Amino acid sequence: SQQGEEDPQALSIQEGENATMNCSYKTSINNLQWYRQNSGRGLVHLILIRSNEREKHSGRLRVTLDTSKKSSSLLITASRAADTASYFCATRAYSGAGSYQLTFGKGTKLSVIP
Amino acid sequence: KAGVTQTPRYLIKTRGQQVTLSCSPISGHRSVSWYQQTPGQGLQFLFEYFSETQRNKGNFPGRFSGRQFSNSRSEMNVSTLELGDSALYLCASRPQTDSNQPQHFGDGTRLSIL
Repeated sequence: SQQGEEDPQALSIQEGENATMNCSYKTSINNLQWYRQNSGRGLVHLILIRSNEREKHSGRLRVTLDTSKKSSSLLITASRAADTASYFCATRAYSGAGSYQLTFGKGTKLSVIP
Repeated sequence: KAGVTQTPRYLIKTRGQQVTLSCSPISGHRSVSWYQQTPGQGLQFLFEYFSETQRNKGNFPGRFSGRQFSNSRSEMNVSTLELGDSALYLCASRPQTDSNQPQHFGDGTRLSIL
């Protein structure tokens, strides 16, 4: 079952604009991770934010986490055509028997128009 | 360092057959996870192996099984294939089972069932 739900499902912007994607989840989490997937390829890890962190930056990426609202956002600034991809949030949460499981949302498909 | 390697990249099978997919993790990584990705269900967790032991399992029927070898390489097997098993199967590795380590993904095996 999906824990994280991304919004919007699809986003189309012009090169140079900022792109914001949101993720909501349902249960308590250990951390939240964002991944990128280019068509036909595997996922690439972007940022991991722990449940006790509120904001994290990596280059043109900024991730926020609001555990009270069970939501996160990914901001890509000054977008480039090469940012065109699907973006997934994934939550790591306790799944029982001493184990943690990573659960993915269905993703946001970002198109950056040159 | 070489990334996660999955073989084969593409596979075509017919209903009722069985299939074995292979995954070589990043050198030094001991945890290997498998995911199924379909347009309808998105990314779903199959299982995770660490030190040749299954540590976590998703909600899939017993037709889906896996194993890990002493060199951390992993295989997954699907028996009695069904049309609905058509999917991209992704393998991911990380050094340990620490929750705060991100996953490193291979490019997947695209399985088509005729």
